[in-house]
Amino acid sequence: DAKTTQPNSMESNEEEPVHLPCNHSTISGTDYIHWYRQLPSQGPEYVIHGLTSNVNNRMASLAIAEDRKSSTLILHRATLRDAAVYYCILRPNFGNEKLTFGTGTRLTIIP
Amino acid sequence: DVKVTQSSRYLVKRTGEKVFLECVQDMDHENMFWYRQDPGLGLRLIYFSYDVKMKEKGDIPEGYSVSREKKERFSLILESASTNQTSMYLCASRASGPSYNEQFFGPGTRLTVL
Repeated sequence: DAKTTQPNSMESNEEEPVHLPCNHSTISGTDYIHWYRQLPSQGPEYVIHGLTSNVNNRMASLAIAEDRKSSTLILHRATLRDAAVYYCILRPNFGNEKLTFGTGTRLTIIP
Repeated sequence: DVKVTQSSRYLVKRTGEKVFLECVQDMDHENMFWYRQDPGLGLRLIYFSYDVKMKEKGDIPEGYSVSREKKERFSLILESASTNQTSMYLCASRASGPSYNEQFFGPGTRLTVL
């Protein structure tokens, strides 16, 4: 399975945008890029996913590099509730249902 | 609201005991998963099931077995619990097909083996 690399931790001020990077240099052409987050004392929750084009939803935006070897999760206006561990995961488009989680980025929001 | 529920939030067992962790989902999902989560190691897949009575080993199946007799229920079994199985256990489910990408997680069961 292709692997992802994320910073162990990041800090951001409340109400400012946050850019969470992820490197996936061995990504294959059929791998989707998924992001999940895990709030304290909860199971992970889905945030967003994409293949080639940038994606937006109510939670976040996903910017994917043209060569697809990296991506950035963007929280447009961080709140204290966004403090969590964020996981960037590659999922093959077919055949394999499993997700391989790394250790993620622990995001701290400073009031 | 879609839901994945796990039978216990906290569980304490003794070494050598047989332990059952139950997971139920109400979304009619084909795929169900068991992970364990340990500090510094992230989430690691133990077993998954893509249909009733079907199962596949994940990355760390040793010491565990699973059962899926009904579509909505996926059980993780520790035949003889050991202290190195002290961990947070997370269950998840997901629909099949390329359009269904979101995996839904339960709240987790923190198991302590003494």
